[in-house]
Amino acid sequence: DGGITQSPKYLFRKEGQNVTLSCEQNLNHDAMYWYRQDPGQGLRLIYYSQIVNDFQKGDIAEGYSVSREKKESFPLTVTSAQKNPTAFYLCASNTPGRPPYEQYFGPGTRLTVT
Amino acid sequence: GQNIDQPTEMTATEGAIVQINCTYQTSGFNGLFWYQQHAGEAPTFLSYNVLDGLEEKGRFSSFLSRSKGYSYLLLKELQMKDSASYLCAVFYNAGNNRKLIWGLGTSLAVNP
Repeated sequence: DGGITQSPKYLFRKEGQNVTLSCEQNLNHDAMYWYRQDPGQGLRLIYYSQIVNDFQKGDIAEGYSVSREKKESFPLTVTSAQKNPTAFYLCASNTPGRPPYEQYFGPGTRLTVT
Repeated sequence: GQNIDQPTEMTATEGAIVQINCTYQTSGFNGLFWYQQHAGEAPTFLSYNVLDGLEEKGRFSSFLSRSKGYSYLLLKELQMKDSASYLCAVFYNAGNNRKLIWGLGTSLAVNP
């Protein structure tokens, strides 16, 4: 079955540590996205990538980094520079410009930093 | 700037009909999405409207008026499992790119 996987579902880290969230898709989608969701707030775009070896900053990229070495994978690193890293992180993918246009989402990773 | 407005919360009764509105202000409009998101889970796609009118898909329908910057999601024969947040998102042209802006979501509570 095609889909997007994110691991782990729950992640706990101490302040000052970098942490990497995994996102893998086997939908053969060109584009992948990372969002952050906080209570009472909409989805906010962190980074996105439309092709391998290329990515762009979204609206809230500070304190985050990504890589896109393979079409299927788009890991997100939350660095110690991110001031408020505790949040629900969602990865999505699609192929822009071709139907279906919607983004498909992974199950999400809830990160708690104390 | 780009903006989307949705009601924060709504309540409805099982078996009833509810309409969730979404208004938007964007330039270069290129389509509107509705997603459903249960607490702690990922959003799942419900509908996509790019032309004016009503799109019906089972118990769910979505309407778009581009001239009014307005959409609604209509849920019929409400079930308890429809208790969720409903997200409106607008696709728009930004220079050479297409971008997606998300509303804050409408939390729907379905009561027995």
